Amino acid sequence: KAGVTQTPRYLIKTRGQQVTLSCSPISGHRSVSWYQQTPGQGLQFLFEYFSETQRNKGNFPGRFSGRQFSNSRSEMNVSTLELGDSALYLCASSGGTGGGGAQYFGPGTRLLVL
Amino acid sequence: GQNIDQPTEMTATEGAIVQINCTYQTSGFNGLFWYQQHAGEAPTFLSYNVLDGLEEKGRFSSFLSRSKGYSYLLLKELQMKDSASYLCAVTTRAGTALIFGKGTTLSVSS
Repeated sequence: KAGVTQTPRYLIKTRGQQVTLSCSPISGHRSVSWYQQTPGQGLQFLFEYFSETQRNKGNFPGRFSGRQFSNSRSEMNVSTLELGDSALYLCASSGGTGGGGAQYFGPGTRLLVL
Repeated sequence: GQNIDQPTEMTATEGAIVQINCTYQTSGFNGLFWYQQHAGEAPTFLSYNVLDGLEEKGRFSSFLSRSKGYSYLLLKELQMKDSASYLCAVTTRAGTALIFGKGTTLSVSS
């Protein structure tokens, strides 16, 4: 089975721009979660989607948003980019009952904001 | 609040055994996960504990005590490739939002 894929792998943007990241989960997984990883804060939960509905949301500003499509692929968008948004953005999918159980991570998108 | 603590760094030698501890204080508990993350790579799933006790999987074992809010990851017969960051994470309810500790960087030397 193919793993979680994320595109693009690397991205450079400037302050004020917006960015869209894409994630394709493991086939059959309906839950997709997004995380931000920085050296200072570690891994922090952004949001989780299950069957096209946002089921959980972390403590991030409204500039961070996401959506999930009927094929379980997910996108996250960050508007009005700030320097502090530079991070590794990881997507994880889960296929347990109700979307629980182990989460499997994609390779991540490394975003640099200049 | 949610708090997950683990040591920042540990060192060990090839062939040895190392135990990485994790304590958690969260509003609710549904399960505890351990992930391994090599530098520049994504986290990979190692283990999942829901009930108290020891789960063994090859060279890796994970223990959970829910009453003490405590878990450990035991790595046996250490190899150089085990040098990585080890992340402890908790889910607080039957959803999938993982709350991560800051990770323990393990360095294995020959």
